[in-house]
Amino acid sequence: AQSVAQPEDQVNVAEGNPLTVKCTYSVSGNPYLFWYVQYPNRGLQFLLKYITGDNLVKGSYGFEAEFNKSQTSFHLKKPSALVSDSALYFCAVRDRYSSASKIIFGSGTRLSIRP
Amino acid sequence: GAVVSQHPSRVICKSGTSVKIECRSLDFQATTMFWYRQFPKQSLMLMATSNEGSKATYEQGVEKDKFLINHASLTLSTLTVTSAHPEDSSFYICSARDSGQPQHFGDGTRLSIL
Repeated sequence: AQSVAQPEDQVNVAEGNPLTVKCTYSVSGNPYLFWYVQYPNRGLQFLLKYITGDNLVKGSYGFEAEFNKSQTSFHLKKPSALVSDSALYFCAVRDRYSSASKIIFGSGTRLSIRP
Repeated sequence: GAVVSQHPSRVICKSGTSVKIECRSLDFQATTMFWYRQFPKQSLMLMATSNEGSKATYEQGVEKDKFLINHASLTLSTLTVTSAHPEDSSFYICSARDSGQPQHFGDGTRLSIL
C-alpha cells in the first residue's frame, strides 16, 4: 500500500536559519512527489513537484526539495527561514503510471518560525 | 498559475439544512475533481473523486447519499451536504486537476452546523 510519512508534527526554527521538513514515502515504482503549504483557513498551495531528472527540485517562495531514491525521502528545505513561512506543510505522492490514481498526503508538519 | 475558486468560504446553518459548495477551475479544464474533508490539526481525508460527466467515486466509509457530488462540466463541481447535522461540521476542500498536471486546491469551506 502507498503511504507517506512526515515524522515531525512540528518544526521550530529561528528566522534566518535553514529549515528542513522531513518526508519519506512507501510507494511501488517511481511516484510523483509533491509539497503543498496550507495557511490558516485556506486550501493547499502547490510548492513544488518531482517528476524526473535532477534530484534537487526548486519551487515557490525559495523552497526546494531533494529526492533521494535510496532513502525514499523527499525532504523540504529552505536556506533561510522567514516568519511568513510559518504554516502547515504537506508532503504528497501519486502513482505516475495511472492517470486515475489518487494523491496521498502525509499527516502534515506545522512549521513555526520565530523572529 | 492555475486557480481553483471555492464558494462559499464559510457557512453556518441549522441542523437539517442542505448545503451546496461550489468548486470552479478558473483558467484550466478540470478533468478530475476531488473533495476532501479536513478535521482540526489533521491531514486531508479524500471523500470522493469525480470525472466530468461521470458518477463520483466515493471513498470507503463516505455516504454517497449524504454527500452528493455533481461534476457537470469541465470547470465546475458541486458538493451538497444533505440534511446536515453537527457532526458534519468540518473544513471541506475541493481540488481540481487536468490530466498529467498537479492538483490545485480551493481555499476551502468551513461548514458549521448548529
